[in-house]
Amino acid sequence: EIVLTQSPGTLSLSPGERATLSCRASQSVSSSYLAWYQQKPGQAPRLLIYGASSRATGIPDKFSGTGSGTDFTLTISRLEPEDFAVYYCQQYGSSPPWTFGQGTKVEIK
Amino acid sequence: QITLKESGPTLVKPTQTLTLTCTFSGFSLSTSGVGVDWIRQPPGKALEWLALIYWDDDKRYSPSLRSRLTITKDTSKNQVVLSMTNMDPVDTATYFCAKRRLGAPPAYWGQGTLVTVSS
Repeated sequence: EIVLTQSPGTLSLSPGERATLSCRASQSVSSSYLAWYQQKPGQAPRLLIYGASSRATGIPDKFSGTGSGTDFTLTISRLEPEDFAVYYCQQYGSSPPWTFGQGTKVEIK
Repeated sequence: QITLKESGPTLVKPTQTLTLTCTFSGFSLSTSGVGVDWIRQPPGKALEWLALIYWDDDKRYSPSLRSRLTITKDTSKNQVVLSMTNMDPVDTATYFCAKRRLGAPPAYWGQGTLVTVSS
């Protein structure tokens, strides 16, 4: 089973700042099958990034994903009020279980 | 427009079997490459992937829960059913179903349904 470790656990930033979130895998993620989700309280997760760097339909370009192998990053270029939420990474490679990270909370400083 | 909605009991007793139904629209589970996942989230905790069924009836389960889970589909009703046996209070969570395509992550999610396990 691939274990995903996200850091930091909480990121305290102000609107307009840049957010950098990390997701590290315990073993290489095949074909960069790494996704990022945003989740707000009481809502289902929303797919932001798939294939490590491709934005999902309708996702603005302030969200960008990079990385390969075991190290992946989600960057939010300029935080807006609606971006304060919890972000999860997930690997969806060839074999289950398709694990999630423990999440990074981006909160208003 | 793709929508999914979970339904089932909100409260189950320990040792009982939980049966949840995901009713969807806007796509067909008979279309090549399409799958439906079940994912859960205990209150205040992270997401946990549970099971997946593909259009061709290929089924995948979380290894840690495999012995307790059964996933089935009814293509004519546009439904996917997840059963989980021997429920325990630690299984208290919001259960989500989500649509994916082969080689892609779940992109469309239901709103989730909170299931509490308590005597």
